[in-house]
Amino acid sequence: QKEVEQDPGPLSVPEGAIVSLNCTYSNSAFQYFMWYRQYSRKGPELLMYTYSSGNKEDGRFTAQVDKSSKYISLFIRDSQPSDSATYLCAMTSGGSNYKLTFGKGTLLTVNP
Amino acid sequence: EAGVVQSPRYKIIEKKQPVAFWCNPISGHNTLYWYRQNLGQGPELLIRYENEEAVDDSQLPKDRFSAERLKGVDSTLKIQPAELGDSAVYLCASSSSSGLGGYTFGSGTRLTVV
Repeated sequence: QKEVEQDPGPLSVPEGAIVSLNCTYSNSAFQYFMWYRQYSRKGPELLMYTYSSGNKEDGRFTAQVDKSSKYISLFIRDSQPSDSATYLCAMTSGGSNYKLTFGKGTLLTVNP
Repeated sequence: EAGVVQSPRYKIIEKKQPVAFWCNPISGHNTLYWYRQNLGQGPELLIRYENEEAVDDSQLPKDRFSAERLKGVDSTLKIQPAELGDSAVYLCASSSSSGLGGYTFGSGTRLTVV
């Protein structure tokens, strides 16, 4: 079993839909959680990060962490075609200068 | 700010040939990482540097891979000799102790071994 599991999709939604992306993890040492967006042939771009359980909102994006269930989510409201990309969850136990463990990524397509 | 700069962007080589990738991190970032991303997978750490010291190289295949970070700034990752299974995207990232918000990746080098 991998430390981080993420459904690779693909996920296809119409413009304006609410998108839910999820990851589960098995390592209780993970304390910091991140979501990256990766466009084709580009490097991962940090979207959001959080240190604790609960919700964190940034514009149309909401990150949710439930440490008791070892489950994290990213919600995208009012999805746009420009949101079409691969979304990677990542987590670390060691803070800002430590290795990240990634999920496989979920390929999202938002259709106009 | 330029971000993390990597070169080359693409490289095609024959198996058994050597190859090298270069990375220039964000100015002031003391931690530098090399990750490998296979097709359809998330990145996996190869090596992590704190300044010029390699502090985590447990996932680096040391029989054929080597890396250096002279003077604690730029870094080079080398493969010699390359194998077909080394085809992947090699990503460089850097971060500072100021928080996770600065953990930044470059665009990567896409290596194809034929």
